[in-house]
Amino acid sequence: EPEVTQTPSHQVTQMGQEVILRCVPISNHLYFYWYRQILGQKVEFLVSFYNNEISEKSEIFDDQFSVERPDGSNFTLKIRSTKLEDSAMYFCASSRVGPGANVLTFGAGSRLTVL
Amino acid sequence: GQNIDQPTEMTATEGAIVQINCTYQTSGFNGLFWYQQHAGEAPTFLSYNVLDGLEEKGRFSSFLSRSKGYSYLLLKELQMKDSASYLCAVREEDNAGNMLTFGGGTRLMVKP
Repeated sequence: EPEVTQTPSHQVTQMGQEVILRCVPISNHLYFYWYRQILGQKVEFLVSFYNNEISEKSEIFDDQFSVERPDGSNFTLKIRSTKLEDSAMYFCASSRVGPGANVLTFGAGSRLTVL
Repeated sequence: GQNIDQPTEMTATEGAIVQINCTYQTSGFNGLFWYQQHAGEAPTFLSYNVLDGLEEKGRFSSFLSRSKGYSYLLLKELQMKDSASYLCAVREEDNAGNMLTFGGGTRLMVKP
């Protein structure tokens, strides 16, 4: 079954450093998303991306964050100048266009620990 | 504002039936989703309701009442592997972004 792949599975970084989380969405999906889940809390929407541009973003997704699709397969989340409160599991997801477009398939997540 | 409420924890016995409720108050509504999440893993899709009524898929069923802002997930013939968190999520608008707002999740423990 097709899956969304994320790397790294776990990253530890120092406060103030930049982090890039990478995702390979399912190949025939055209919508891409980042969600995060702080330990013990709910899954929160960050951003959605379609046709090489952001289609929606939440209040969490401020100037510290950016997304990019640098090539035909990767979708990245960059966090500049990380803060302690950025420690969370970051989930990438993708969905189709047309039938089944409502269903998001999530990757296994990248756990970010900011020290 | 958005408010999606689910019980925090539930316990049930292997082989039994359990119903997990979800109530929502959102500015718009364009579908309700249930996802399963095992500890430390990604959410996986279980069901989707956009019209009132019951959707059945094997041991899992999901019900929606839009007028009441209410949904439930019904799990039959519980198995130990069903121990997980069950996340209710609402899609508020019919747009391309497909932004989902999640509830806090219900942690289900299945006991022998």
